[in-house]
Amino acid sequence: AQKVTQAQTEISVVEKEDVTLDCVYETRDTTYYLFWYKQPPSGELVFLIRRNSFDEQNEISGRYSWNFQKSTSSFNFTITASQVVDSAVYFCALSEARGRGGGSNYKLTFGKGTLLTVNP
Amino acid sequence: SAVISQKPSRDICQRGTSLTIQCQVDSQVTMMFWYRQQPGQSLTLIATANQGSEATYESGFVIDKFPISRPNLTFSTLTVSNMSPEDSSIYLCSVAGSTDTQYFGPGTRLTVL
Repeated sequence: AQKVTQAQTEISVVEKEDVTLDCVYETRDTTYYLFWYKQPPSGELVFLIRRNSFDEQNEISGRYSWNFQKSTSSFNFTITASQVVDSAVYFCALSEARGRGGGSNYKLTFGKGTLLTVNP
Repeated sequence: SAVISQKPSRDICQRGTSLTIQCQVDSQVTMMFWYRQQPGQSLTLIATANQGSEATYESGFVIDKFPISRPNLTFSTLTVSNMSPEDSSIYLCSVAGSTDTQYFGPGTRLTVL
């Protein structure tokens, strides 16, 4: 069974601090995808990144960076120089390929989320 | 990515009644899903909405309680039937195309009194 663990329930930082959100996953699949989503107070879930299991290169997008380590089954997310607008709940998710044949048929398993509060 | 809208954005309902939530996408998509997010909790998949056939429900969710329709590749509805206060949640639809990246609608905040 798929499992995603976000051990940090809440994190509070002061603006401009760097912060890392941890994500550890479990899967028996050899091919899988990992995701991060952001949920601001408005409630909408915003897609941030997708990483496939064959690509262990770290990725940087502006102030965001992701560290994927297959050896430790981790996919951590770092925000550099945090801003108040980064305050949100962040979810890590794992996709599970189901069935065979063409077309996508994936189920997302979400972690419990980490509430990040960035204080001015 | 596709533009996804949901109606209503929020509602307050009486127990025992039913509410139908609509999800509209601005382009044809292969997969549509319905999730529930209970207060302070993570997202749980209710079902996969299949175009032209019955939805595929996850363990713990049944068609009588959450009937789903998907008449075409851009539209789906989720009905929450015979509601109780425990059904108070955010209900989100998501869509996926040729890749498995799911994009989410803005959600429907449901409060059952």
